[in-house]
Amino acid sequence: NAGVTQTPKFQVLKTGQSMTLQCAQDMNHNSMYWYRQDPGMGLRLIYYSASEGTTDKGEVPNGYNVSRLNKREFSLRLESAAPSQTSVYFCASRTTGDEAFFGQGTRLTVV
Amino acid sequence: KNQVEQSPQSLIILEGKNCTLQCNYTVSPFSNLRWYKQDTGRGPVSLTIMTFSENTKSNGRYTATLDADTKQSSLHITASQLSDSASYICVVSLGGSYIPTFGRGTSLIVHP
Repeated sequence: NAGVTQTPKFQVLKTGQSMTLQCAQDMNHNSMYWYRQDPGMGLRLIYYSASEGTTDKGEVPNGYNVSRLNKREFSLRLESAAPSQTSVYFCASRTTGDEAFFGQGTRLTVV
Repeated sequence: KNQVEQSPQSLIILEGKNCTLQCNYTVSPFSNLRWYKQDTGRGPVSLTIMTFSENTKSNGRYTATLDADTKQSSLHITASQLSDSASYICVVSLGGSYIPTFGRGTSLIVHP
């Protein structure tokens, strides 16, 4: 009964380093999402994938790239991390118009 | 522009008291509205869903209301418990869209 699994849970990067956040869901959902959450800002959409094989930009895509590897997996890559990317990142999956299921989050600090 | 506004931004109440959180939206075309609860350090979890034809829906001590005419929803928490301390997020889905619109949330703290 895993739902949405994100790895890692915590990460500290130096400015300029790269990393990939992994996300996998076992609910056979078509749509997957990456959000960042900052104090006072709520959840902001970075990228989403409406279905396997498609990805689209959200509200705050700059500095990020994504890959929908298959129906289960949707990864988020930071090519050159910046302090402004310090945040909590959430992956979610859902079917159209239905409940979104979120992972536990990745707490990223860029120093 | 599709927007979801929540009030208050934060709220502190004593254990056992009731409270009501507000959500106003300008999303169109409206499909449904969900309230999520986000505990500290966790991802949001859905509490309830409201569709256009529904006025009231309860989930235990949580009761959500929807007025589709005025585009307002509320979440009422009865007999609050310490475990109700969390952020409550209002999320509105548009018809035919993959992207729901999130409010910024109300932070609720319940003191003993």
